[in-house]
Amino acid sequence: EDQVTQSPEALRLQEGESSSLNCSYTVSGLRGLFWYRQDPGKGPEFLFTLYSAGEEKEKERLKATLTKKESFLHITAPKPEDSATYLCAVQATLSSGSARQLTFGSGTQLTVLP
Amino acid sequence: DAGITQSPRYKITETGRQVTLMCHQTWSHSYMFWYRQDLGHGLRLIYYSAAADITDKGEVPDGYVVSRSKTENFPLTLESATRSQTSVYFCASRGHVGVSYEQYFGPGTRLTVT
Repeated sequence: EDQVTQSPEALRLQEGESSSLNCSYTVSGLRGLFWYRQDPGKGPEFLFTLYSAGEEKEKERLKATLTKKESFLHITAPKPEDSATYLCAVQATLSSGSARQLTFGSGTQLTVLP
Repeated sequence: DAGITQSPRYKITETGRQVTLMCHQTWSHSYMFWYRQDLGHGLRLIYYSAAADITDKGEVPDGYVVSRSKTENFPLTLESATRSQTSVYFCASRGHVGVSYEQYFGPGTRLTVT
């Protein structure tokens, strides 16, 4: 069974204080790892897809990295508008070659204080 | 440029009543999904559809019914609502196999069963 664990559950940062969010996963064969941002009262917003260990992707102050066991979402010099819940999800490849549906972690609630 | 919409955004119903949540997407995506989001459980897949007239169960399908007669619509029906179905429901969609696997989410429907 696919498992995704995100840590910490909540993180409070001062504006400009860089940090990282962790997503540990267990899947039989990784098809892709996805990061989403979710603001209160809204649906998750897609950020990144990572497909293989060593891959990195960046968007503004966010950088996502992937190893064989975990992914990190690095936030550099965060601003208050970066406050949100960040969700990680994995998609496994079945033995048939087709893809299993996404398994989500419970998220990290990030608060950036001005 | 509506993307994916859900209606109603908020719904209060009584135990035992039937309620239908609507989902509409304008991207002509093949795949559509229904998730529920509860504290402590993250996003859990209820049902999904690979194309019109093709649906399949997710992790938590009991008590729900779906249909997909048109590519753009994917309604979710609670046949006899229970208090345990109080949740926030998200619809999502993505392109077909061979295209990027990320899912795009609607704004959600907050359902309260009294």
